[in-house]
Amino acid sequence: GDSVTQMEGPVTLSEEAFLTINCTYTATGYPSLFWYVQYPGEGLQLLLKATKADDKGSNKGFEATYRKETTSFHLEKGSVQVSDSAVYFCALWNYGQNFVFGPGTRLSVLP
Amino acid sequence: DADVTQTPRNRITKTGKRIMLECSQTKGHDRMYWYRQDPGLGLRLIYYSFDVKDINKGEISDGYSVSRQAQAKFSLSLESAIPNQTALYFCATSDFQGSGELFFGEGSRLTVL
Repeated sequence: GDSVTQMEGPVTLSEEAFLTINCTYTATGYPSLFWYVQYPGEGLQLLLKATKADDKGSNKGFEATYRKETTSFHLEKGSVQVSDSAVYFCALWNYGQNFVFGPGTRLSVLP
Repeated sequence: DADVTQTPRNRITKTGKRIMLECSQTKGHDRMYWYRQDPGLGLRLIYYSFDVKDINKGEISDGYSVSRQAQAKFSLSLESAIPNQTALYFCATSDFQGSGELFFGEGSRLTVL
């Protein structure tokens, strides 16, 4: 079945550092890919998405590009802030099926 | 007010007790879901419903049951709670005609002693 693998955390960075969180997937067909973010004490919310190969999703300074050849959707941000501290989930969705989530990566950004 | 509301937000109970977690939504979505979150395991699907008359088991439905009382309401029950059901539970909704995006409630933290 479909699956999502993402890098183990926690990831600890200093403010203004560059962030990469790796995500790779296994899926049939042409899934849509998502990054969700969970801030402390809150539910998950959509951060960005891409629906086809080579699409780039972006939001709040975060970016991820749908790479079908490497089955990847890595999350990047050029300069993280303390307010970016959260848990980040990579996920995929195939039409007619349910979401598949990765295990989540906890990010802590220190001032 | 939140689009997806869960009650209670926190609950501590004892082994063997019956627990109900409730979810209501104002987004007008047909599809509703219950997920369980455990550290390092991500989100796992318990049950989902595509409309009031359609209930489906997810990957970890044993020990749980659900009720879809109306388009906007979807409840999760633990008939006889056990300690390994201690977790954070999320309700979510989606629109069939949308891009597949899920909209989550703020979560219900359940502790079973």
